[in-house]
Amino acid sequence: DGGITQSPKYLFRKEGQNVTLSCEQNLNHDAMYWYRQDPGQGLRLIYYSQIVNDFQKGDIAEGYSVSREKKESFPLTVTSAQKNPTAFYLCASSIATGGYGYTFGSGTRLTVV
Amino acid sequence: AQSVTQLGSHVSVSEGALVLLRCNYSSSVPPYLFWYVQYPNQGLQLLLKYTTGATLVKGINGFEAEFKKSETSFHLTKPSAHMSDAAEYFCAVSHGTGGFKTIFGAGTRLFVKA
Repeated sequence: DGGITQSPKYLFRKEGQNVTLSCEQNLNHDAMYWYRQDPGQGLRLIYYSQIVNDFQKGDIAEGYSVSREKKESFPLTVTSAQKNPTAFYLCASSIATGGYGYTFGSGTRLTVV
Repeated sequence: AQSVTQLGSHVSVSEGALVLLRCNYSSSVPPYLFWYVQYPNQGLQLLLKYTTGATLVKGINGFEAEFKKSETSFHLTKPSAHMSDAAEYFCAVSHGTGGFKTIFGAGTRLFVKA
């Protein structure tokens, strides 16, 4: 079955450490997205990519970086510059055009220890 | 600019009662509207969507929503709540070409009492 796989499901980060969250899709979708979810704040867009080798900053990109070297993959790195990284991170994909909606992964919960 | 407002961060209903989750949007162009459901520690799942055509749209699990342009609303309803409907629900809006910059509401948590 097609879908989006996020790994790991839980991740612990020490202060000053960079960590990378994986997101892989086999839906042949052109567009991919990273959202951060905090209680009571809904979803906030970190980065999105419409096509391979291209990505755009979302509303809260500071302290994060991404790459899009393959259509299937859109990893997110949480850098040490992100001062409050504890959150639930969601990856999504969509057909680039039209109102098809998003397909989401099951999320990665990142905790700073 | 687009925005989404979900009225009520928490809604509680009894099992078998009507579910009504409210969503109002703001958009300068014809919108695409969505409802998603999220169960604890999981991703979001698309419940239903409005793009064009019939303003009453039916989704999965017995949910439906009606697009009312004059009221800029897209409220989600289900005639009879089930315990398994307890989850968080998100309304979202996008427009035109592409799903880019979809704006999500803050979410409404639905509690279902036995």
